[in-house]
Amino acid sequence: EAEVAQSPRYKITEKSQAVAFWCDPISGHATLYWYRQILGQGPELLVQFQDESVVDDSQLPKDRFSAERLKGVDSTLKIQPAELGDSAMYLCASSLARRETSSYEQYFGPGTRLTVT
Amino acid sequence: GDSVTQMEGPVTLSEEAFLTINCTYTATGYPSLFWYVQYPGEGLQLLLKATKADDKGSNKGFEATYRKETTSFHLEKGSVQVSDSAVYFCALFMMDSSYKLIFGSGTRLLVRP
Repeated sequence: EAEVAQSPRYKITEKSQAVAFWCDPISGHATLYWYRQILGQGPELLVQFQDESVVDDSQLPKDRFSAERLKGVDSTLKIQPAELGDSAMYLCASSLARRETSSYEQYFGPGTRLTVT
Repeated sequence: GDSVTQMEGPVTLSEEAFLTINCTYTATGYPSLFWYVQYPGEGLQLLLKATKADDKGSNKGFEATYRKETTSFHLEKGSVQVSDSAVYFCALFMMDSSYKLIFGSGTRLLVRP
């Protein structure tokens, strides 16, 4: 069964350092999502891509976070500089969803657990 | 704005007990509703879904019915197992311009042998 891949699974970094996460969605999935999940809370959307275009980045802290999906396939989320409050699980999800279909179910990867010290 | 409210956990049950996890939502339109499950150290897995009023989603013995009149989507299982111990998230999805999932805060379930 196809899965969403994420790496690394765990990352420990010092504050003010740069960190990057990678996501490879299920093949053929047009829409890719990055979520942040703080311990004890539900995931919150950071950024959504439709193919290579950003559809929604209204909750992305753009002063320190950036995301790209250059060829409309895999994606990278970067934080620079990292802050203590960025410690969380970063989840990637993908879906077939296009405007002309109802295939909007999201499939999640295993996540990257970030600890900022 | 749109939101989801879940009962606070943890919910602690003995094996074979009946489970209910309450979920209510607020939405300006007609959302689709989902339950996701998260096992320790893992990502979220879709458990079940319902796309319109009175739909019943079911999977692995879990059920939830989309109740428009009470804006609820409560999760139920007749007989829980130790392996059901996890965090359960209720979520709504609006097919507006953003195709965004909005999650509740999650309910931790602990099933004891």
